[in-house]
Formats: sequence, structure tokens, C-alpha cells
Amino acid sequence: GAGVSQSPSNKVTEKGKDVELRCDPISGHTALYWYRQRLGQGLEFLIYFQGNSAPDKSGLPSDRFSAERTGESVSTLTIQRTQQEDSAVYLCASSLGGVGTGELFFGEGSRLTVL
Amino acid sequence: AQSVSQHNHHVILSEAASLELGCNYSYGGTVNLFWYVQYPGQHLQLLLKYFSGDPLVKGIKGFEAEFIKSKFSFNLRKPSVQWSDTAEYFCAVNAHTGRRALTFGSGTRLQVQP
Repeated sequence: GAGVSQSPSNKVTEKGKDVELRCDPISGHTALYWYRQRLGQGLEFLIYFQGNSAPDKSGLPSDRFSAERTGESVSTLTIQRTQQEDSAVYLCASSLGGVGTGELFFGEGSRLTVL
Repeated sequence: AQSVSQHNHHVILSEAASLELGCNYSYGGTVNLFWYVQYPGQHLQLLLKYFSGDPLVKGIKGFEAEFIKSKFSFNLRKPSVQWSDTAEYFCAVNAHTGRRALTFGSGTRLQVQP
């Protein structure tokens, strides 16, 4: 596709369940980012992948959160044992090269609701 | 660590009014600065960016921003807003050292009344 694609667009889960969120970046974009946006708040950085370099995981809020990326393509964000405070919109973005080289292209986001 | 402050959380204007949204960042080194916009029901998209050179940057839809290094500011301006400018606006900064991902402000919700 032409843009960043995220799935699912909406996910409702029960507290304690695991969830997986998927991101398909724009083809050829080497950098991929995950952000979280809680209701009424700004974007909170989670993790950043750049090519074959070790990912910057400094924004992951706890060890329940993890993310993987296969080469320069799909990324999966996994949240284990979900908690109600995990409810948010999870945004994925990609860029051609690192962020210092240009703009980020965002997906529509995955809205997670933990009951 | 870099951080971004947007002091206006919610702004309500009438059409044709002038707009200025504040953005301040905390980082003493060289930075790249961005404004992103999220229209209702749409994804975030770039409005304008500053990397170097002329500190007055012009973006899409008549928006501009001025980088004032001495004030650590990158305020967004538009001389005359339209109803279609109703959206949420996010300022973001990327430092040339340290974390290589954008740090975003908390956003400003702009509501333009016809």
C-alpha cells in the first residue's frame, strides 16, 4: 500500500490477556517507530527501529511490552498481561532513513481498550 | 533528555482570526523541529519542519513557524484561520545526539468557529 498500515484498528480485550499489534511500514522506509497516545495526552515514544541497528527500547514502559521487526518490513508490538492503563491508541510511523533525514509517516493507529 | 512543552491545550478562534501556538523545547544542542497536525478522523501528518537555514519556515496551508534559538521556541502561526484548520497540532523535536526518535509535545486542540 501507499501508506503505513496498522492492524487491528480496534481491539477490546480483558485485563490479563496478551495482545499483538501489527504495523506495515511504507516500502523502502528503513526506520520504524511505535508511539502511544492516551486519551487527551500527547504521543509517548515506545521504541524505534533503524535498519539493522539495535532498536532503541528506552521508551517501553515495562517488561510486559516488547516489539520485533523483521528486516525492514513488518513490526509487531506485543503487550503481555494487559492492564487497564494500557488502554490507548498505539501509533506506528516509518521514515526514509532516520528521523533526522525527513518526516515521519504515521498510520491510523490501533485503539486498544482493556476492560 | 529532550522535552517539548505546548502551553495552549485548547484554543477556540473565529474564522479569519490570527493564530499563534506556542512550543518550547528543552535541549541545548542542535535540533530539528517539526509541527504535525491531526485533522478529525485522520492520521498525523507533517505541517512543516526546520532543519537549518532561514529560521522562518513556511509549511502547507498558509502555516509558518519561527525558530528562535535564544528562546528555545518554535511557535506556529497563521494570519487568518479557516474552519478547516480545526485539528490537533503537535510540536516535536529531534536532537542531533541522544535518542533518534521524535519527542512530541502534548498537543494543542484548535477549534475554529464559522
